[in-house]
Amino acid sequence: ELKVEQNPLFLSMQEGKNYTIYCNYSTTSDRLYWYRQDPGKSLESLFVLLSNGAVKQEGRLMASLDTKARLSTLHITAAVHDLSATYFCAVDIAMNRDDKIIFGKGTRLHILP
Amino acid sequence: DVKVTQSSRYLVKRTGEKVFLECVQDMDHENMFWYRQDPGLGLRLIYFSYDVKMKEKGDIPEGYSVSREKKERFSLILESASTNQTSMYLCASLGMKNIQYFGAGTRLSVL
Repeated sequence: ELKVEQNPLFLSMQEGKNYTIYCNYSTTSDRLYWYRQDPGKSLESLFVLLSNGAVKQEGRLMASLDTKARLSTLHITAAVHDLSATYFCAVDIAMNRDDKIIFGKGTRLHILP
Repeated sequence: DVKVTQSSRYLVKRTGEKVFLECVQDMDHENMFWYRQDPGLGLRLIYFSYDVKMKEKGDIPEGYSVSREKKERFSLILESASTNQTSMYLCASLGMKNIQYFGAGTRLSVL
């Protein structure tokens, strides 16, 4: 059974600081996704990571994937208040035409001004 | 822009009622998904489908069924709603470049 574990589940941090959210998963996969969810809103795709060693950056967020360690990280650089949201990672077990996508529990990020 | 439309934002139903949650996408995506989202539990996969009339159970299919008669429409059915099915339900489809697009969600309350 695939398990996707994020940590921390809640993070409160000061503006200007750096931090990393971790996403571990329990089975072989080479597709991992990161999403952002604002309160009362649906999920917005941030990154799609498709291979070992993949690194993607958008503004102050950078995501990486290590398929051998079954680990992805979402790194926040010099956090700003606008990045306050819940961040989810999700792992895709693609089998034939099936894409089974399983989510972690989410990391609620609260950035203090 | 890809659009995933869920028919209702809010629904209130009574225990034992049959409930239909509808989801339509306009980008000819093959893969569609139904999740429920509960505080502290993240998103949990109920069912998914990779083509018309094809469906696969997710992690929590009990109490639910689905229908995919047309490629653009994926329906979630609660045969006999129960209070523990009160939740936020999210539909998604998977497009090119492996980007999953989500609907706005349906908040269902079962009384």
